[in-house]
Amino acid sequence: EAGVAQSPRYKIIEKRQSVAFWCNPISGHATLYWYQQILGQGPKLLIQFQNNGVVDDSQLPKDRFSAERLKGVDSTLKIQPAKLEDSAVYLCASSWDRISTDTQYFGPGTRLTVL
Amino acid sequence: DAKTTQPNSMESNEEEPVHLPCNHSTISGTDYIHWYRQLPSQGPEYVIHGLTSNVNNRMASLAIAEDRKSSTLILHRATLRDAAVYYCILRRPTYNNNDMRFGAGTRLTVKP
Repeated sequence: EAGVAQSPRYKIIEKRQSVAFWCNPISGHATLYWYQQILGQGPKLLIQFQNNGVVDDSQLPKDRFSAERLKGVDSTLKIQPAKLEDSAVYLCASSWDRISTDTQYFGPGTRLTVL
Repeated sequence: DAKTTQPNSMESNEEEPVHLPCNHSTISGTDYIHWYRQLPSQGPEYVIHGLTSNVNNRMASLAIAEDRKSSTLILHRATLRDAAVYYCILRRPTYNNNDMRFGAGTRLTVKP
């Protein structure tokens, strides 16, 4: 079974530039998550999708971050414009459903450096 | 929201058992206890979860205190590959508002 795929693996940009990350979840998984992990901290949930609808985006900085999951499969997370404090690893995860006993499967992450 | 407390770091020798503690004194009666781990330069991976009874799987065992205010993840024979950050997470049993809140976790170092 293929895991969660993410690209790119690394990205370096200047502040105020834009960047986009892509995630392909495990086939058949209805729930998709984006997390932000700052160095030395645990991952923090940014947004959660159920199929192509947003379930929870309460921690997403909506003035600069946006995400979509068209057709309920792949997802894209965008930052526009980026700030220095956005430097982090962005992790995508998926699960069969949202029930609390479902395992979340994580991708390798995209490491973003904002200069 | 109930919080978890874990030691920042622990060390173990290879092939010896490791007991990773987690305190969750404000856990509600129905919160699940999940453990994930994150190997270097990888995303987190599921280890085990439980509610009240002790649980075993091929990776580890989870011992849950009778009052559920603490739990311990047990790796029976640590290998170098088990060096990772281990996260103890509480998760509500609801369909909504059950997101995983990661703390800083415990960084496990395994010495050969």
